[in-house]
Amino acid sequence: EDKVVQSPLSLVVHEGDTVTLNCSYEVTNFRSLLWYKQEKKAPTFLFMLTSSGIEKKSGRLSSILDKKELFSILNITATQTGDSAVYLCAVIGETSGSRLTFGEGTQLTVNP
Amino acid sequence: GAVVSQHPSRVICKSGTSVKIECRSLDFQATTMFWYRQFPKQSLMLMATSNEGSKATYEQGVEKDKFLINHASLTLSTLTVTSAHPEDSSFYICSASLMRETQYFGPGTRLLVL
Repeated sequence: EDKVVQSPLSLVVHEGDTVTLNCSYEVTNFRSLLWYKQEKKAPTFLFMLTSSGIEKKSGRLSSILDKKELFSILNITATQTGDSAVYLCAVIGETSGSRLTFGEGTQLTVNP
Repeated sequence: GAVVSQHPSRVICKSGTSVKIECRSLDFQATTMFWYRQFPKQSLMLMATSNEGSKATYEQGVEKDKFLINHASLTLSTLTVTSAHPEDSSFYICSASLMRETQYFGPGTRLLVL
């Protein structure tokens, strides 16, 4: 059974801080790892990672995958209050079609 | 970009009634749609995978007779919660798959059963 573990589960920081969110996984025949941001409604897509060591970047957010150690990190620099959300990590295996297995999420709160 | 809609966004019903939730892919055809349930402060739990024109595949522990899924066309899947009870109160989210890894999520439906 595929498994995703995220840490920390909850994080409170001040605006301007840099945060690192962790995601470790166990999946049969790994295909992809995805990061989503969820505010009050449904998740919005951030990144999809398939190859080790290649950083994906979008503004102040970046993410990297380590397929040997089976984990990924999501970095947010110069955090803003609008970054407050739950960040979800999910994996897809070769045998699961498009089926995503989600982690519990990290609740990030950025205080002014 | 790919847009998925859900209707209704919020529903309150009495215990014992049935509730239908619609999920539509607005600008693309989705051969596969997924239904998730999310309880407060928890992650998304996959309930079932719905393929157009065939029976849905339910996850372990999800009652297929209680959560009826119909995927009648490439743009519409429906989830009917039959004989709803208070413990079915949750946030139900659908997603539609355009390519293998890419899932686009609907805005979710908040169900409250009194």
